[in-house]
Amino acid sequence: AQKVTQAQTEISVVEKEDVTLDCVYETRDTTYYLFWYKQPPSGELVFLIRRNSFDEQNEISGRYSWNFQKSTSSFNFTITASQVVDSAVYFCALSEAIGGKTGGGNKLTFGTGTQLKVEL
Amino acid sequence: EPEVTQTPSHQVTQMGQEVILRCVPISNHLYFYWYRQILGQKVEFLVSFYNNEISEKSEIFDDQFSVERPDGSNFTLKIRSTKLEDSAMYFCASSRRWTGKGDGNQPQHFGDGTRLSIL
Repeated sequence: AQKVTQAQTEISVVEKEDVTLDCVYETRDTTYYLFWYKQPPSGELVFLIRRNSFDEQNEISGRYSWNFQKSTSSFNFTITASQVVDSAVYFCALSEAIGGKTGGGNKLTFGTGTQLKVEL
Repeated sequence: EPEVTQTPSHQVTQMGQEVILRCVPISNHLYFYWYRQILGQKVEFLVSFYNNEISEKSEIFDDQFSVERPDGSNFTLKIRSTKLEDSAMYFCASSRRWTGKGDGNQPQHFGDGTRLSIL
C-alpha cells in the first residue's frame, strides 16, 4: 500500500526566511510519481511539480526547489526567501506507475499536509 | 489556461436527500477523478473514471455513490442518500493521457471544489 507522511503539521516563518517542507513516502512499486500541491486559504488545489522515480535530479523553479532522494524515500520542498503569499497548506502526493490497461489515470495518495504561515 | 470547473461552489442538503455535484473537466483530458477533503484533513481519493467506466474506487465510494459522464463535457458525482459524515469539500480533477514511456501519470488538475454541508 502507498503512504505519504508529512510530519510537520504547521510551520511558521518570518518573511524572507527559507523553509523546507518534508515528505517521506512508502511504496512497493519500482516506478512511481511524486507531486506537490498547494492549497491556499481560498481552498483550491494548485499543482506545483511532478517527479518520476527514475529522475533524481533536483529541480528549481524560481524560489521553489525540490530534493528527491530515493535512498531515503523523501521528496522535500524548499521555498527560498519566503513571502506572505506563500502561506498555504502544502500537500505531497504519490501515484503508482501506469496501469497497463489504462495508460494512466492512477489515483493520488496525499499526505496530511503542512500548514505554512509566513508572517511579516 | 483551461481549467476544471465545478458547480455549485456550496451545497446545503438535508440528511437523506440525494445530491449531484457537477464538474466540467479540461476538454482534452481523458481521465477524471473525484476526491474529498473533510475539514482540516487530508485529501482522499474516491473514484477514477476512464473510457466511460470506473477505473478504480476507494472504500469510501460505496453503493451510495455513483459517477456519470452524461455527455461529452460533464462529469457528475451523485450521493443517493446523504449522511452527516458526507459533509466535506469535494474536488473534481482531470488529467491527460500519457504521451509515452517515462511520461506517465500526468498531473491531475483540480477544480475549486464544492463544499457539501449536510444538515
